[in-house]
Amino acid sequence: GESVGLHLPTLSVQEGDNSIINCAYSNSASDYFIWYKQESGKGPQFIIDIRSNMDKRQGQRVTVLLNKTVKHLSLQIAATQPGDSAVYFCAESRNYGQNFVFGPGTRLSVLP
Amino acid sequence: GAVVSQHPSWVICKSGTSVKIECRSLDFQATTMFWYRQFPKQSLMLMATSNEGSKATYEQGVEKDKFLINHASLTLSTLTVTSAHPEDSSFYICSASDYGGSLNTEAFFGQGTRLTVV
Repeated sequence: GESVGLHLPTLSVQEGDNSIINCAYSNSASDYFIWYKQESGKGPQFIIDIRSNMDKRQGQRVTVLLNKTVKHLSLQIAATQPGDSAVYFCAESRNYGQNFVFGPGTRLSVLP
Repeated sequence: GAVVSQHPSWVICKSGTSVKIECRSLDFQATTMFWYRQFPKQSLMLMATSNEGSKATYEQGVEKDKFLINHASLTLSTLTVTSAHPEDSSFYICSASDYGGSLNTEAFFGQGTRLTVV
């Protein structure tokens, strides 16, 4: 199913601090997860992905953590920069990439 | 990463007319393309999944006769909004994937099309 919401949750962080964005996914059968960044008026951009056989994956300044027990996904951004301000979506899928279902999104606001 | 181009980036049309949105994979063959709709401040909602050469699979609640999807080649899918109404105004986004190919399972997104029906 799809997730919709009238108001995006917002996370405000100070520039240079670390950000943690959380996502609760719905389907215990989901085996592949992606975090996307969406800037205003643009399509989503891939940030990092993780398969269900892993619980942590690191990229450049970003780390994704997966807790299958509680169906929770998080995105950690180190040393948050103004350019990180955007809406972040998690997406889950089964069969490794078929039919992504997107979470409601979180708006990250970086304060100077 | 791979590039997906969506055109137009914005369009304004009159009620009752039809609008076609194109989604092209520029440097890979997209065996599967997805079409999403996004209302302001909301998440992406999957409308349909199309595989090259076959009919699209529509999500529940999406009218297939209103949102015509054609995936005639491995690099192009089109979404036509027929007899558009103001409530069809939205941000439409496509994504493309090359399942089983070198791109693994990642889906790449177009830049989206802002449709305004007046």
